[in-house]
Amino acid sequence: ETGVTQSPTHLIKTRGQQVTLRCSSQSGHNTVSWYQQALGQGPQFIFQYYREEENGRGNFPPRFSGLQFPNYSSELNVNALELDDSALYLCASSVDPGQGGGELFFGEGSRLTVL
Amino acid sequence: GESVGLHLPTLSVQEGDNSIINCAYSNSASDYFIWYKQESGKGPQFIIDIRSNMDKRQGQRVTVLLNKTVKHLSLQIAATQPGDSAVYFCAENIRGYSTLTFGKGTMLLVSP
Repeated sequence: ETGVTQSPTHLIKTRGQQVTLRCSSQSGHNTVSWYQQALGQGPQFIFQYYREEENGRGNFPPRFSGLQFPNYSSELNVNALELDDSALYLCASSVDPGQGGGELFFGEGSRLTVL
Repeated sequence: GESVGLHLPTLSVQEGDNSIINCAYSNSASDYFIWYKQESGKGPQFIIDIRSNMDKRQGQRVTVLLNKTVKHLSLQIAATQPGDSAVYFCAENIRGYSTLTFGKGTMLLVSP
């Protein structure tokens, strides 16, 4: 158990809908990163939030957006869902930005299926 | 574009054998490398890391080797156990930057 919790664990949406995924970071962590993991692939970096501001973004379109709240929890929003958005969405928290390895703690993920 | 990739998608071993999982990276600016283990239905779990100023690092039953000349990374697991069965990812990072770039992964299957 890493202390990073994500909700919901599974959800099904249809093409064109919008989805919000939630993440509670580990206690004491002020940085949250989101990753998309398609089936059979490695996770891909979406963006990172640090002190409620976006702090780095991967190659994802603007319909992927996020928020970080004062308690450092975070949301990932995806608008106009496409079939290719079906994936496991992982949240990872750390004490500071730019950290990886043993300093980055992943949640169990939210499995999104778009029909 | 630059990427991290793995040579073998699946590795099958017998319990007690030593396992070696390989990874190639192409971003010469990367200075930090990490191996993660991901079990079915779970998020990636940190195994071991290595910085670019090192060529070998050992943990408990695991060793990571880094060859910067050929941009190659490997994970060695000694006395592999059924509980080691999982997908293993290498990842690279430029220290201080937010992006962690993962490879595709290798599935390790350990038979009793």
